Amino acid sequence: GAGVSQSPSNKVTEKGKDVELRCDPISGHTALYWYRQSLGQGLEFLIYFQGNSAPDKSGLPSDRFSAERTGGSVSTLTIQRTQQEDSAVYLCASSPVSYEQYFGPGTRLTVT
Amino acid sequence: GENVEQHPSTLSVQEGDSAVIKCTYSDSASNYFPWYKQELGKRPQLIIDIRSNVGEKKDQRIAVTLNKTAKHFSLHITETQPEDSAVYFCAASESGGGADGLTFGKGTHLIIQP
Repeated sequence: GAGVSQSPSNKVTEKGKDVELRCDPISGHTALYWYRQSLGQGLEFLIYFQGNSAPDKSGLPSDRFSAERTGGSVSTLTIQRTQQEDSAVYLCASSPVSYEQYFGPGTRLTVT
Repeated sequence: GENVEQHPSTLSVQEGDSAVIKCTYSDSASNYFPWYKQELGKRPQLIIDIRSNVGEKKDQRIAVTLNKTAKHFSLHITETQPEDSAVYFCAASESGGGADGLTFGKGTHLIIQP
């Protein structure tokens, strides 16, 4: 079946602009996660959704970051007033309930 | 919060030899330990995982061992092949993720020499 998909695959934006990243999880997966991977680094957890609810938003790097999930499916990660340090690959993963997480291909964000 | 240390950062082995990557974790409440393989420019792929109620799990050439007392776990790849070349990440979590997500190590770049 179809895996996790993300769009866009690449995004170049100017410092100060807002960006919106999209994640389509595997159908039926109730858990959804966002991670950030900086160049040559491991993955940094950002936020988790169970259904449409995100019980803990403390992993988001700053108040410029927000995320939502609607209909228990698609999720969007929004970064306002982008900064150069926001440049990274943003990865989304989904899971049936918990445990095995399956990743999407990521969105490579470059802030110039 | 959880902290995961991974060693070595780079590992070069001859084709056909075995490779071992080691991780330690800090939170004794962690009970789920997956391993991911990431090829250049690709998404991380789950290759094997272990839960804290078992000490070892095998899947063909890949095995993972867990020592809860010492809080460390290891990935073993036998009879390495060129397609095993990639970056491998270990991770840990309590209850498979949830609100704390997975905490990842910094990765091991495995190079298989022909």
